[in-house]
Amino acid sequence: QKEVEQNSGPLSVPEGAIASLNCTYSDRGSQSFFWYRQYSGKSPELIMSIYSNGDKEDGRFTAQLNKASQYVSLLIRDSQPSDSATYLCAVNPARGGSQGNLIFGKGTKLSVKP
Amino acid sequence: DTGVSQDPRHKITKRGQNVTFRCDPISEHNRLYWYRQTLGQGPEFLTYFQNEAQLEKSRLLSDRFSAERPKGSFSTLEIQRTEQGDSAMYLCASRVLRTGGDAFFGQGTRLTVV
Repeated sequence: QKEVEQNSGPLSVPEGAIASLNCTYSDRGSQSFFWYRQYSGKSPELIMSIYSNGDKEDGRFTAQLNKASQYVSLLIRDSQPSDSATYLCAVNPARGGSQGNLIFGKGTKLSVKP
Repeated sequence: DTGVSQDPRHKITKRGQNVTFRCDPISEHNRLYWYRQTLGQGPEFLTYFQNEAQLEKSRLLSDRFSAERPKGSFSTLEIQRTEQGDSAMYLCASRVLRTGGDAFFGQGTRLTVV
């Protein structure tokens, strides 16, 4: 089982819709969780971090964490064509402590159609 | 510019040559990470430093790869005797040493081995 798993997509949503991106992780003791956005040919850009169970909202983005289910998700409301990118889920596994390395999923490609 | 800086942005080299990449982290960030990313994959962890100490190395980091952070500021990643399989984007990220410190990436160095 891979440490961080994401559906590779592509996920296609119409402009204005809600895009839902999901991620599961294998290390139950993982402490920190991150969502990055990566445009083609560019480096990953941090969107959100989440550390506690529940929801965390930042503008059109909401991260949701459920440690019992080892599941983290990202919701993008009012999706725009400019949101079209690959979304990477990253997890800080327990063995490294809260400042150890980050393990990334392969990413989900999102396409927002005008 | 106070972000993570990587140099060069692009490097084309012949197989068998040595290459060295540089990363300048955000100034107050203690942790510095190196990742490698190939097309369609998420970033793969290579190694990370806390100040000048190299704390963890991935099995991906073969003996042809070496990384240093001599004064706890900038870091270098050297690849000796490059192979075509080394062609990838090499990403550097930095993070402040405190709970909840987010990791930010540089623009990356794209290596092509011909």
